[in-house]
Parts: sequence; C-alpha cells; structure tokens
Amino acid sequence: EAGVTQFPSHSVIEKGQTVTLRCDPISGHDNLYWYRRVMGKEIKFLLHFVKESKQDESGMPNNRFLAERTGGTYSTLKVQPAELEDSGVYFCASSQDWTGSSYEQYFGPGTRLTVT
Amino acid sequence: DQQVKQNSPSLSVQEGRISILNCDYTNSMFDYFLWYKKYPAEGPTFLISISSIKDKNEDGRFTVFLNKSAKHLSLHIVPSQPGDSAVYFCAASPDSSYKLIFGSGTRLLVRP
Repeated sequence: EAGVTQFPSHSVIEKGQTVTLRCDPISGHDNLYWYRRVMGKEIKFLLHFVKESKQDESGMPNNRFLAERTGGTYSTLKVQPAELEDSGVYFCASSQDWTGSSYEQYFGPGTRLTVT
Repeated sequence: DQQVKQNSPSLSVQEGRISILNCDYTNSMFDYFLWYKKYPAEGPTFLISISSIKDKNEDGRFTVFLNKSAKHLSLHIVPSQPGDSAVYFCAASPDSSYKLIFGSGTRLLVRP
C-alpha cells in the first residue's frame, strides 16, 4: 500500500511569488491534515479535511494560505503571495475515518519551502 | 504558549541500555497521546499511542507511560539500538478533535 506522497519535495521561490503544494493521502483515508514545521521547532497543525470539507482550519496563519481538497482525494495548499516567514517544511498526513484508528495519522515526507 | 513540552532537546544512551524520553502537557482536555519518530528528510512515523483512560501501553521494545495527575508521559525504549537514533516527537490530541499538537522533539542518539 502506497503511503502519503507530497510534491514537490523542495521548492525555492522569491518573496511575493505563488507556490502550490500537493498531497496525495493513503487511499481510502477520509481525513487529511496539513502541518508545518518552521526552523526546527515543533510541528504545528494547519488544517483538517474530512473528505472534501474543511473540518478545522484553526491553524491557518492568514488568508495568504488556501487549501483545497477536490473530490475528497488529493489536496493542494497554495501560498499567495509568499513571505519570508512562510519558509519551513510542510507535512501532509492522513488517517482513516473514526471507526478506525483515526488518531494515528500517517505522514508524508514533507515539502521543504524556502522563500528568499 | 506550548501545550506539549519536551524539555530535553537531546539524549545519548549506550546500545542495549534503556532510553527514556519525557513529555509534559498542560491541557487536561487531551485524551489521546502519541509518539512519533522522525529521521532526517522524512516525515514523522507513528510509533506508539496511549488513550487517557490507560496508564501504560506496550509494543515490543517500546512502552509509553501516562501519569495524568502529573500531566506527564514518557517513552521507554529497551533495549536501545543504533537504528533508534532519530528525533522523537510527543503529540497530543484534544478531546473531540483529531488535530495533533506536537512537542518540539528530542534527538536520541544510541551509541554502539
């Protein structure tokens, strides 16, 4: 079974540009999450999808970040316009529905974003 | 203010000995706790978890202990192996929410 995949693995953009990160969850997982780790600090929650609906977006830093999950499959996270403080590693995770072990989230390898 | 704290940024142990990683939390509404292991350039990998209704969960060489009154949990690895060298994150899930709140991690080095 394929794990969570993320694309690209690295992205270097200039301040003011736009970047779109993609996440493909484990097949059959209804729950999809985005997290971010900045400067080697703790991993911080950004938002949670259940299928195509945003369940919790309390961690989104501001309206420059837009997440979508078309058809309840893959998800994209767009940053527009990017600022220097957006640099970090963006992780995507997925988990089964509540009848499974929903608390146990499976993470992708992350996208390292560098804004210069 | 960090709700999940890992106060030891690093830990070094000899192969074969016990590794004990600690985690403290402040929110009494947390009802599920997890440990993740992370290698460089990889995403966190789920290791072991514990529900707030339990005080111990064991899986092979890994055991997690939960002390609710002290708002403290620990991960014991015994015996430690060089392949266990990684960054270990403690995470907690608030009641009725699936989001995970992570500590800042502890880097474990197991010396051969």
